[in-house]
Amino acid sequence: GDSVTQMEGPVTLSEEAFLTINCTYTATGYPSLFWYVQYPGEGLQLLLKATKADDKGSNKGFEATYRKETTSFHLEKGSVQVSDSAVYFCALSESRSGNTPLVFGKGTRLSVIA
Amino acid sequence: ETGVTQTPRHLVMGMTNKKSLKCEQHLGHNAMYWYKQSAKKPLELMFVYNFKEQTENNSVPSRFSPECPNSSHLFLHLHTLQPEDSALYLCASSQVEGSGNTIYFGEGSWLTVV
Repeated sequence: GDSVTQMEGPVTLSEEAFLTINCTYTATGYPSLFWYVQYPGEGLQLLLKATKADDKGSNKGFEATYRKETTSFHLEKGSVQVSDSAVYFCALSESRSGNTPLVFGKGTRLSVIA
Repeated sequence: ETGVTQTPRHLVMGMTNKKSLKCEQHLGHNAMYWYKQSAKKPLELMFVYNFKEQTENNSVPSRFSPECPNSSHLFLHLHTLQPEDSALYLCASSQVEGSGNTIYFGEGSWLTVV
């Protein structure tokens, strides 16, 4: 079945450091890929998405590129801030007819210290 | 504000109680979901409703009973729960229209079973 594997956290960075959170997936078809973020005490928010190979999703300084050849969707940000401290979830949704609920990774906790 | 509202935000209940979680989406979507998020475990999909019809039940114990009276409202009825059911319960919605099924989450209901 479909699955998503994320790097295990926690990840602790200093402010203005470069961030990479690795995500790889296994899917039978051509999935859409997502990153969600969960701030403390809140639900999940969509951060960015990409629906086909070589697409780049971006939002709030975060970027991720859909790499079909390596089945990856790594999340990057050039300069993190304390306010980026949260749990980040990589997810996929198969592109086939009907409703295909998201498959999530286990999440990666990011802590940014001043 | 994500367009998906959950109430109550916090609930403490005894193992013999009956309570319900409520979810309302204001996005005009046609699919709704319940997810469970426990400490140290991945997000677990519990139920899926498409056009008010339940299309997925991921082996959820019968002490959890969903209800979807219309495409905007979703309930999760709880009875005779166990302490291990304490978790964050997340409601979500999406518009099913082919590929790239983007799901929008509510802020969750924190449930504590005592």
